[in-house]
Amino acid sequence: IAGITQAPTSQILAAGRRMTLRCTQDMRHNAMYWYRQDLGLGLRLIHYSNTAGTTGKGEVPDGYSVSRANTDDFPLTLASAVPSQTSVYFCASSLSSQVNEQFFGPGTRLTVL
Amino acid sequence: GQNIDQPTEMTATEGAIVQINCTYQTSGFNGLFWYQQHAGEAPTFLSYNVLDGLEEKGRFSSFLSRSKGYSYLLLKELQMKDSASYLCAAQDSNYQLIWGAGTKLIIKP
Repeated sequence: IAGITQAPTSQILAAGRRMTLRCTQDMRHNAMYWYRQDLGLGLRLIHYSNTAGTTGKGEVPDGYSVSRANTDDFPLTLASAVPSQTSVYFCASSLSSQVNEQFFGPGTRLTVL
Repeated sequence: GQNIDQPTEMTATEGAIVQINCTYQTSGFNGLFWYQQHAGEAPTFLSYNVLDGLEEKGRFSSFLSRSKGYSYLLLKELQMKDSASYLCAAQDSNYQLIWGAGTKLIIKP
């Protein structure tokens, strides 16, 4: 792995289904982030983690949960998907929460029907 | 509240110069970032300013005025590959990035 990866690349999901978006980085970055990007809006922070074992809520956390069991992985779970969660999801990482040049994964395009 | 403003779209000609402006209002300030995002791709880092003044990096330069809550990204010798969205983001007192909606730059031959 070089950098930060996300899976799946895209997904179509029925409303009410549970879905986990995966994110892995091999840069030994302490901080990781999940954003959603919708047309006409800026990137909006869903959840973040400043270090393994800790997580925090961003601007739009409702309907999403995260975990950070180790440094490399930061999965995002939609417990019961709704159509308003249709979006492009980006995972990002930075060396620390204060050294904030963020490196982004390629994104997951999620459609909830 | 926290807010970032930048133009929605700009058009420029290949070989020319373009300036993309960004104004910000944040709770505290710990720096201003510019990212480039090509259609269908992830954002990539361009520049970071925390002190007033101009930072030059090849064809791209970024300027910051903390007292005015203002930044701009200057692109010189425009190339067709510069067609992309340019995202401005300000880092607040909690080191969270507040993102603008992005400026779509269209380059015409």
